[in-house]
Amino acid sequence: KAGVTQTPRYLIKTRGQQVTLSCSPISGHRSVSWYQQTPGQGLQFLFEYFSETQRNKGNFPGRFSGRQFSNSRSEMNVSTLELGDSALYLCASSGQGAETQYFGPGTRLLVL
Amino acid sequence: AQSVTQPDIHITVSEGASLELRCNYSYGATPYLFWYVQSPGQGLQLLLKYFSGDTLVQGIKGFEAEFKRSQSSFNLRKPSVHWSDAAEYFCAVGPGFHPGNTPLVFGKGTRLSVIA
Repeated sequence: KAGVTQTPRYLIKTRGQQVTLSCSPISGHRSVSWYQQTPGQGLQFLFEYFSETQRNKGNFPGRFSGRQFSNSRSEMNVSTLELGDSALYLCASSGQGAETQYFGPGTRLLVL
Repeated sequence: AQSVTQPDIHITVSEGASLELRCNYSYGATPYLFWYVQSPGQGLQLLLKYFSGDTLVQGIKGFEAEFKRSQSSFNLRKPSVHWSDAAEYFCAVGPGFHPGNTPLVFGKGTRLSVIA
């Protein structure tokens, strides 16, 4: 089985712009979670989608949003980018029980 | 609230030496515990997991971990470290089989350096 894929792998944006990141889960997985990883804060949970519904949400501002499509692919969007949004964004997928999450390679976002 | 503590920020070991990375957790229910490894610029790779049963679990790349409920610990071990093991290691506690529970909570990570 192919693993979790994320596109693009690298992005450079400027403050105030918006960005959309994409994640394709492992085939058959219906749960997709997003995490932000920074040197200072470590790995922080953004949100989780299951069957096109947001099932859980972390403590991030409303500028961070996501969605999931009927094929379980997910996107996350960050609007009005700030310098502090520079991070590695990781997507993880899991199966029915959501007990084990498998991570993609991440998208590294740099905001200038 | 759930939390995971990895007391060691950075560990350096010689190639061929044994390794133990510490992890302590705080969780209200029976924990589901994980160890992930991250190489520079990469995502997280699952090393092993503990859900129930035998408290000593085997993982990939020769790693094992032992769950000790009385100590709230889930330490990762490897008897002989290889240079390719140099990476960042993350311990995490998860929600188990109930959808909608809180997501994975990660420790801050332990960076492992391996010297010749």
